Amino acid sequence: IQMTQSPSSLSASVGDRVTITCRASQSVSYYLNWYQQRSGKAPKVLIFGASSLQSGVPSRFSGSGSGTHFTLTISSLQPEDSATYYCQESDGTLLTFGGGTKVEIK
Amino acid sequence: EVQLVESGGGLVQPGGSLRLSCAASGFTVSTNYMNWVRQAPGRGLEWVSLIYSSGTTYYTDSVKGRFTISRDNSKNTLYLQMNSLRAEDTAVYYCVRYDTSDYYFDFWGQGTLVTVSS
Repeated sequence: IQMTQSPSSLSASVGDRVTITCRASQSVSYYLNWYQQRSGKAPKVLIFGASSLQSGVPSRFSGSGSGTHFTLTISSLQPEDSATYYCQESDGTLLTFGGGTKVEIK
Repeated sequence: EVQLVESGGGLVQPGGSLRLSCAASGFTVSTNYMNWVRQAPGRGLEWVSLIYSSGTTYYTDSVKGRFTISRDNSKNTLYLQMNSLRAEDTAVYYCVRYDTSDYYFDFWGQGTLVTVSS
């Protein structure tokens, strides 16, 4: 399964609504997760099962989609959201990541 | 508290070998699905290998036949034996636990850097 994220990078202002898209080369049902990786740190999960918010993650993060098309939305971008975001499918035994989306704050 | 601490990274020549270790605490490695995920400098995340609680193993195509994932239950430690190393194996290697209820990577180590260069 191939995972394609878009855009590969974006720049937005504090308070903006940001949407990142992830497409799978075949259906992964709802087995799609989103991770945030800040510079020099290990990734951490934000969303699992396409739309379930991990405990402790701010509610401005949300996920949607199923099958082959998924989105991660940040409803009101904050300075601490500057990071790279990855989608990852968990439908198969080979657990593929998307290429990442780097989010910068203007 | 769950902790994963990797060790064993370093500089190795092309064609050489290295064994990474991941010491776990706060849970039992043998009853969980454990993974290695790597990240080349300035690049994205790449899943490398998985070992089920049953002992079944899986690998990404680029490391099949060269890398071996294993565990030592008595030491609660995960390993990655890496042979025939190539320049393109240069990366930070993360040890990662997989949540088998909701199917996501729930705990990550801090990573260990492997550099393959002459």
